[in-house]
Amino acid sequence: EDQVTQSPEALRLQEGESSSLNCSYTVSGLRGLFWYRQDPGKGPEFLFTLYSAGEEKEKERLKATLTKKESFLHITAPKPEDSATYLCAVQAFRLGGGGSNYKLTFGKGTLLTVNP
Amino acid sequence: NAGVTQTPKFRILKIGQSMTLQCTQDMNHNYMYWYRQDPGMGLKLIYYSVGAGITDKGEVPNGYNVSRSTTEDFPLRLELAAPSQTSVYFCASSPDRINYGYTFGSGTRLTVV
Repeated sequence: EDQVTQSPEALRLQEGESSSLNCSYTVSGLRGLFWYRQDPGKGPEFLFTLYSAGEEKEKERLKATLTKKESFLHITAPKPEDSATYLCAVQAFRLGGGGSNYKLTFGKGTLLTVNP
Repeated sequence: NAGVTQTPKFRILKIGQSMTLQCTQDMNHNYMYWYRQDPGMGLKLIYYSVGAGITDKGEVPNGYNVSRSTTEDFPLRLELAAPSQTSVYFCASSPDRINYGYTFGSGTRLTVV
């Protein structure tokens, strides 16, 4: 069974104070690891997909990295508008293929608060 | 470009009542999904569909039913609502490519009393 564990559950930063969020995963065969941002009362918004160990992707103040067991979301010089819940999800190779290969297993998320 | 549209946004049901959560997407995506999100529990897959006429169960399908008669629509039916079905429900869609993330709707907050 695929498992995704995110830490910490909550993180409070001062504006400009860089930090990282962790996503550790257990999956039989990784097709992709996804990061989403979720604002209160809204649906998750897609940020990145990572496919193989060593891969990195960047978007503004966010950089996602991937190893064989975990992914990090680095936040550089965060601003209050970066406050949100960040979700990590994995997509795995599954026997039988078809639609089951597109399913995502999500972690519980990290609630990030950036104070001005 | 509307993306994924869910209705209603909020609903209160009494135990034993039934209702349908509506989901429509205008991106011509073949793949559609229903997730529920409970506090501290993350998103759990209820049902998914790989195209019109094809649906399959996810992790937590009990108490729910789905249908997919068109590419655009993927309604979720709750029969005999129970308090355990109090949750926020999200519909999502994706194209037939692994490297594209899901597009989520804004959710339906359901309370069963």
